[in-house]
Amino acid sequence: QQQVKQSPQSLIVQKGGISIINCAYENTAFDYFPWYQQFPGKGPALLIAIRPDVSEKKEGRFTISFNKSAKQFSLHIMDSQPGDSATYFCAAQAGTALIFGKGTTLSVSS
Amino acid sequence: DTGVSQDPRHKITKRGQNVTFRCDPISEHNRLYWYRQTLGQGPEFLTYFQNEAQLEKSRLLSDRFSAERPKGSFSTLEIQRTEQGDSAMYLCASSFGAGGKGEAFFGQGTRLTVV
Repeated sequence: QQQVKQSPQSLIVQKGGISIINCAYENTAFDYFPWYQQFPGKGPALLIAIRPDVSEKKEGRFTISFNKSAKQFSLHIMDSQPGDSATYFCAAQAGTALIFGKGTTLSVSS
Repeated sequence: DTGVSQDPRHKITKRGQNVTFRCDPISEHNRLYWYRQTLGQGPEFLTYFQNEAQLEKSRLLSDRFSAERPKGSFSTLEIQRTEQGDSAMYLCASSFGAGGKGEAFFGQGTRLTVV
């Protein structure tokens, strides 16, 4: 059973556009929701994270929107740049383990 | 300390051989995790240490896998009698704090290929 469902699997966005990646979860015990960015051959790097007591968190061009009632959260990348081309993973945590989505491969065309 | 360090970065081994990977966490981090990532998938949790104590193990961690963290510093992950299905990226992460949560920082991983 996949506990965190991520979509889309791949995304192509023009430079300067907005990239939106969505995640949904079922386990209401999850209380920490990070997003990770991963480049080929590298480990995942923490990008931004949110806890369910807030509905939105913004850091620079990256924003997490969180809908507790719908059990959904999303990553918005504003003014997308070619350097943002990477695989993005949402994750959720209730206990110790981070439960990851399957990832979204983002390509930003110049 | 610039981050979580893993060694080796790549390992090719023959089926049936034993392999050992090392992870050096960020120095002040008391929590250490091992994850496995296969192509096109997100990382999957294997095991968790708080200081030197191994507090949690995933069902993915078969009896051929063993992890240690002596003295609560670096950690090793050993795979005995490797199988082709063990081919994956093995990721180590560390974090600081009480309990099992908080910002986890990942290393670059060890890519294992079993031939």
